Amino acid sequence: DAGVTQSPTHLIKTRGQQVTLRCSPISGHKSVSWYQQVLGQGPQFIFQYYEKEERGRGNFPDRFSARQFPNYSSELNVNALLLGDSALYLCASSLEAGQGGPGDNEQFFGPGTRLTVL
Amino acid sequence: GEDVEQSLFLSVREGDSSVINCTYTDSSSTYLYWYKQEPGAGLQLLTYIFSNMDMKQDQRLTVLLNKKDKHLSLRIADTQTGDSAIYFCAERKSGGSYIPTFGRGTSLIVHP
Repeated sequence: DAGVTQSPTHLIKTRGQQVTLRCSPISGHKSVSWYQQVLGQGPQFIFQYYEKEERGRGNFPDRFSARQFPNYSSELNVNALLLGDSALYLCASSLEAGQGGPGDNEQFFGPGTRLTVL
Repeated sequence: GEDVEQSLFLSVREGDSSVINCTYTDSSSTYLYWYKQEPGAGLQLLTYIFSNMDMKQDQRLTVLLNKKDKHLSLRIADTQTGDSAIYFCAERKSGGSYIPTFGRGTSLIVHP
C-alpha cells in the first residue's frame, strides 16, 4: 500500500512568489496535517484538516492557507514568500482528528517537499 | 523557552546502548512520543507512552517516563549503524487534538 505522497519533492522560488504544495494521504485516512521543519529544528504544526474542514491551526501568518478535497488530498498554499519560509514541508495523514485513541490518531508522515526561497 | 528540550547530538559505538533524553513542560500532557527521521525521509513514529505509565518496552526500545521531573528517555539496546538518524521527542498537549509538539531532535551517530 502506498504511504503518504507529496509533490513536488523539491522547489525553488523567489521572494514574493506564491507556492502550492500537494499531499495525498494513505487510503482510508480522513485527516491531513501540515508541518514546517526548518533546518535544525523539529516540525512545527501549521494546519490540520478533517473531512474538508479545518480542525486546527498553528501560529503561522495568514500568508499560509490550505484546503482538503473530497478525496481527502490536500494543498498547502503560501503567498508572498519570504526567505524564512525556506524549509521542509511535511504532510501527515491519520484516520481521525481527535476522535478515538492514539492508534486512530497516529500521524503517518510523507517524505516532505523541500522549499528553497531565494 | 522550548516546550520540549533535547540534547542535540549523541555518538555511540555499534553494539552499545544509546540513551536519548528529553524534558517537557506541560504537566497535563497525556501522550509522549518518540519519532525517528532518517536523511531525506519523513518522520516515523517509533513508540508512544501514556502519561500514567512509567515504562514501556518494545523489542530493542525502552521508554522511561518520570512524570514528576517531566523527563522522558529512549533507550536503544544493541545500537546498530542503521539506527543513525535524528530522534524527536514530542508531547501531546491536553485537549482533544493529537497534534504532537516536537523538540529540536537529537542526532544519533553510530560508529563501528
